[in-house]
Amino acid sequence: EDQVTQSPEALRLQEGESSSLNCSYTVSGLRGLFWYRQDPGKGPEFLFTLYSAGEEKEKERLKATLTKKESFLHITAPKPEDSATYLCAVQADAQGAQKLVFGQGTRLTINP
Amino acid sequence: NAGVTQTPKFQVLKTGQSMTLQCAQDMNHEYMSWYRQDPGMGLRLIHYSVGAGITDQGEVPNGYNVSRSTTEDFPLRLLSAAPSQTSVYFCASSYSTTGGAGGYTFGSGTRLTVV
Repeated sequence: EDQVTQSPEALRLQEGESSSLNCSYTVSGLRGLFWYRQDPGKGPEFLFTLYSAGEEKEKERLKATLTKKESFLHITAPKPEDSATYLCAVQADAQGAQKLVFGQGTRLTINP
Repeated sequence: NAGVTQTPKFQVLKTGQSMTLQCAQDMNHEYMSWYRQDPGMGLRLIHYSVGAGITDQGEVPNGYNVSRSTTEDFPLRLLSAAPSQTSVYFCASSYSTTGGAGGYTFGSGTRLTVV
């Protein structure tokens, strides 16, 4: 069964304190790994798609990386506005291309 | 503004009542889907559609029906509401059936409470 596990569940950082969020996955054949940001009371907002091990994507203070078993979302010098829940999702061959399996998310809080 | 529009934003139902959650997109996306989000669990796929007239089941389809008569609209029907269907429901769409480089665009959600 395809599974996605995110850690930690919650993370509290000081403004400017860099860190990483982890997404471990077990799938039969990875077609794509997605990162989303979700603010309270809103729908997920797309950040990145990664397709193969070794791939990296960057956007402002965020960088996503991918290995054969996990993905990391690195946050460099975060600001309070980076506070949100970050969701990881995978698309795998066995599920059919149209289906995503989501992790439970990491709730990130950046204190000023 | 272009995007995915969900209505209503909030709804309270009594057990056994039926209702339809509306979802509309104006981006000419072929792929549309419904997810539910519960505390401590990831988003779970209910139903999806790869184009007008085509729908299929996701991970948790029981108690829900969908139809896709137009490219723009993808309503979700609760046939006989149960307390276990209390959740936040999200509609998502994508140009590509695989999500692709642009990912899925999500609506702002419908918070449903069944009492």
